[in-house]
Amino acid sequence: KAGVTQTPRYLIKTRGQQVTLSCSPISGHRSVSWYQQTPGQGLQFLFEYFSETQRNKGNFPGRFSGRQFSNSRSEMNVSTLELGDSALYLCASSLVLAGEETQYFGPGTRLLVL
Amino acid sequence: AQTVTQSQPEMSVQEAETVTLSCTYDTSESNYYLFWYKQPPSRQMILVIRQEAYKQQNATENRFSVNFQKAAKSFSLKISDSQLGDTAMYFCAFGFSSGSRLTFGEGTQLTVNP
Repeated sequence: KAGVTQTPRYLIKTRGQQVTLSCSPISGHRSVSWYQQTPGQGLQFLFEYFSETQRNKGNFPGRFSGRQFSNSRSEMNVSTLELGDSALYLCASSLVLAGEETQYFGPGTRLLVL
Repeated sequence: AQTVTQSQPEMSVQEAETVTLSCTYDTSESNYYLFWYKQPPSRQMILVIRQEAYKQQNATENRFSVNFQKAAKSFSLKISDSQLGDTAMYFCAFGFSSGSRLTFGEGTQLTVNP
């Protein structure tokens, strides 16, 4: 089975722009979660989508949003980029069955905001 | 809110020796999961081992095993016969039985020396 894929892998943007990141989960997985990883704040949960609905949300401003499509693929969008948004953005998918809650991660998208 | 603490920012071990990474957590929940992930220089987050809180038996995966002390809220990872490929950042993570949202520790950078 193919793993979680994320595109693009690297991205450079300037302040004020917006960006969209994409995540394709493992086949059959219906839950997709997003995390932000920075040297200062570590790994922080952004949000989770399940069956096209946002099920959980972390403590991030409204500039961060996401969605999930009927094929479980997910996108996250960051509007009005700030320098502090530079980070590695990780996507993870899971089956969401009793005993199968393990999250499997993609390779990440490294975003640099100049 | 759940918290996860890894008190060892860096550790090193000689190849073929055994090393133990520490993790403590705090939660008022009784039904949860604990995970160890490794993140090598490629930044890919890889699942090492998982433990269900309701299971008393410690999880084992080949050279990796955990010491889960539920009352003490402690979850340490033991790596036996350390290999150069084990060099990575190791993260301890807490998740609910419903999956989806992981809380991570700060990470421990493990270096295996030849």
